[in-house]
Amino acid sequence: QVQLRESGPGLVRPSETLSLKCTVSGGAMSSDYWAWLRQPPGKAPEWIGFIYYNGITNFNPSLGSRVAMSVDTSKNHFSLQLTSVTAADTALYFCARSTTGTYFDPWGPGTPVTVSS
Amino acid sequence: QSVLTQPPSVSGAPGQTVTISCTGHDSNLGAGFAAHWYQQLPGTAPRLLIYGNRNRPSGVPDRFIGSKSGASASLTIIGLQAGDEGDYYCQAFDNSLTGSRIFGGGTKLTV
Repeated sequence: QVQLRESGPGLVRPSETLSLKCTVSGGAMSSDYWAWLRQPPGKAPEWIGFIYYNGITNFNPSLGSRVAMSVDTSKNHFSLQLTSVTAADTALYFCARSTTGTYFDPWGPGTPVTVSS
Repeated sequence: QSVLTQPPSVSGAPGQTVTISCTGHDSNLGAGFAAHWYQQLPGTAPRLLIYGNRNRPSGVPDRFIGSKSGASASLTIIGLQAGDEGDYYCQAFDNSLTGSRIFGGGTKLTV
């Protein structure tokens, strides 16, 4: 069965770029959507965006042009870049698969990111 | 403020039945988009419980039942167990925000 695991720095300075990678194991990345979500402390999850296996993206409009994603199906991983971060971007970041683009299953265990100087 | 509204908390004794509601709007559940439900136990990632209003992924016990009527959806948990204690979130597509996938504010279940 497919498993996902996030990796990246746990601390990012304000105004810099947050970069995370999600490694997929147990299956190929073709024909599915690959998502990033985040959960601020004590709050509900928030969808950040999708990248389809062919590179087409769809982002949450609330994050505007700050989000970018890339995918490398040959290496079984996809990535998130979030620019100009502020303290409001402090959260637990998750990657997840979506077979239909509507719901998320499974999720990775999450990686905490703190934005602070 | 979430556009999917859930009660902040519900509680029940072991063996009892509880229902968690999720109230949406014309731009999401009311427009016919499906409700999906996730369980988040303490210190873990969310886990898909129900998709497409009432479907259970393999491995999810049939004690978890999803339903939807109009702009509202519900998750019913039959035969509460101590291990069910955690946070529950509904999620849907919202067409007022250009393809956003939105979550409810979450409901904390205490057993």
